[in-house]
Amino acid sequence: EPEVTQTPSHQVTQMGQEVILRCVPISNHLYFYWYRQILGQKVEFLVSFYNNEISEKSEIFDDQFSVERPDGSNFTLKIRSTKLEDSAMYFCASSGFSGNLDEQFFGPGTRLTVL
Amino acid sequence: ILNVEQSPQSLHVQEGDSTNFTCSFPSSNFYALHWYRWETAKSPEALFVMTLNGDEKKRGRISATLNTKEGYSYLYIKGSQPEDSATYLCAYFNDYKLSFGAGTTVTVRA
Repeated sequence: EPEVTQTPSHQVTQMGQEVILRCVPISNHLYFYWYRQILGQKVEFLVSFYNNEISEKSEIFDDQFSVERPDGSNFTLKIRSTKLEDSAMYFCASSGFSGNLDEQFFGPGTRLTVL
Repeated sequence: ILNVEQSPQSLHVQEGDSTNFTCSFPSSNFYALHWYRWETAKSPEALFVMTLNGDEKKRGRISATLNTKEGYSYLYIKGSQPEDSATYLCAYFNDYKLSFGAGTTVTVRA
């Protein structure tokens, strides 16, 4: 069964460093998402991406964040200068043709720890 | 920020018993409501995507109902089994994003 994969599973970085979180969505999906969950809090939406551009982004997704689909298979989330409060579990998700009407398939997550 | 609330936060169920829990969401500009099951150390797995008022969906022993006019959805588990132990998340979809509730964590005791 096709699945969303994410690498790395755990990333530890120093405050101020850049990190890139990688995701490989399901191959025929068209909509891509990043979410995060800070420990003990709700899962929060970061950004949605369709047709090679951002469809929607939350207030969390400021200038320090960017997304890219560089080669038609990977979907990356970059944080330019990490802060302590960026420590969270980051989930990538993808969905099929209908976007809003389709279930989203989630990856296993990347745990980001900023020291 | 859309307010999606789930209750209770957690519940314990004896194996074989049935249970249910709720999700409340904004009733205006409704588009879709998603339910996900999230087992420890796994990815959230979609259970249902619900769009129509009065809709009822079923998957095995799990079913869900939707009331978009009053802004709530119920998830039911019939004859709970230990493998049903998980956190159940509801999420309200609009504007290309999901807004999640905090989840209801279900523990089924053998």
